[in-house]
Amino acid sequence: AQSVTQLDSHVSVSEGTPVLLRCNYSSSYSPSLFWYVQHPNKGLQLLLKYTSAATLVKGINGFEAEFKKSETSFHLTKPSAHMSDAAEYFCVVGLGGSSNTGKLIFGQGTTLQVKP
Amino acid sequence: GAGVSQSPSNKVTEKGKDVELRCDPISGHTALYWYRQRLGQGLEFLIYFQGNSAPDKSGLPSDRFSAERTGESVSTLTIQRTQQEDSAVYLCASHATGPYGYTFGSGTRLTVV
Repeated sequence: AQSVTQLDSHVSVSEGTPVLLRCNYSSSYSPSLFWYVQHPNKGLQLLLKYTSAATLVKGINGFEAEFKKSETSFHLTKPSAHMSDAAEYFCVVGLGGSSNTGKLIFGQGTTLQVKP
Repeated sequence: GAGVSQSPSNKVTEKGKDVELRCDPISGHTALYWYRQRLGQGLEFLIYFQGNSAPDKSGLPSDRFSAERTGESVSTLTIQRTQQEDSAVYLCASHATGPYGYTFGSGTRLTVV
């Protein structure tokens, strides 16, 4: 069965410092993995996705994530946080296999706080 | 339309009443999904439509919940005899060919009082 665990419910960083949001997944198949961001009172926005191409995936707004099969991880990073990065971040696994319906399994979310 | 449209954006209803939530997917998107997001939590899958049929209804929490889709377009999620635990944001998403090219709507915030 597929599942995803976000290891931190809340992360606080200072503006200009690196961001690391941790995610581990469990999947019976070669997974598709995503990071979504949700700003307050706004819709979900796709940051980046991994679908078995390059293991280092670059997304929007300077974010990137690295797929590590040996560690079953897909951590999200950014070299330098900006105040506008403060939001809720979701790590997501897409169900695969022959009955792939495209259903997504969401993690519980990590709230990123950026301090001036 | 340019995006996935959901209506109403906000709905306050009394416990025990029925509610209908509407989703207008992007034109031509054959796959449509409903998710629920409770306060402070991630999204929970409810139901998936391919065309007008629903091959996966596994996420519907009870028989008070139902959904339909017509014309391979608009979908309606109906909650009968609403309970306070139904309070959440209900999100709709659609995509065209191949999975994962999701576009999410802005959601309907349902409050049951």
